[in-house]
Amino acid sequence: SQQGEEDPQALSIQEGENATMNCSYKTSINNLQWYRQNSGRGLVHLILIRSNEREKHSGRLRVTLDTSKKSSSLLITASRAADTASYFCATDAGNTGKLIFGQGTTLQVKP
Amino acid sequence: DGGITQSPKYLFRKEGQNVTLSCEQNLNHDAMYWYRQDPGQGLRLIYYSQIVNDFQKGDIAEGYSVSREKKESFPLTVTSAQKNPTAFYLCASKKTGGGSGQPQHFGDGTRLSIL
Repeated sequence: SQQGEEDPQALSIQEGENATMNCSYKTSINNLQWYRQNSGRGLVHLILIRSNEREKHSGRLRVTLDTSKKSSSLLITASRAADTASYFCATDAGNTGKLIFGQGTTLQVKP
Repeated sequence: DGGITQSPKYLFRKEGQNVTLSCEQNLNHDAMYWYRQDPGQGLRLIYYSQIVNDFQKGDIAEGYSVSREKKESFPLTVTSAQKNPTAFYLCASKKTGGGSGQPQHFGDGTRLSIL
């Protein structure tokens, strides 16, 4: 079952601009994770935010979590052409380590 | 370097044929997962294993089988009962314990197509 819904499905911006992606989910979670996927490759973990955290930073990435609205956002600042990829949110809700992924946002950064 | 290796990168299946996708990890992770990804879609869980000699069905297990005889290996067999096997298959592993929340580490996938 797909828990995460991501918005927008596709995003095209110029290099140097900021990119914001949103994720909504349906049930209570332990943590929410963001992953990146380059075309034809596996997923790479970007950042994990726990249910008791509201904001987290890692380099040019900023993630927020609002558990009352069951939503999260990923902000990439000062985007680069190399940031072109698909970005997925995934929720961890149980004790099995299973993740439920959203459909992803495809980001294109034009040089 | 530690990581997850999936092979082959591309695989073709004939009608009525079973095929096996390999997944090996040297990260010493207890948990391993198989996902299916269709074009433009997110990942859907096929099977997962939290410990050697034990595995559980995910959301779309029909037509697939797995084994976990060794910690390092979690092969996935796509059987002839899976009528629409064309997809990108991703294997992942995860460290268990160590507090709340560990990320999953992914291989580079196997693309399976029907001949």
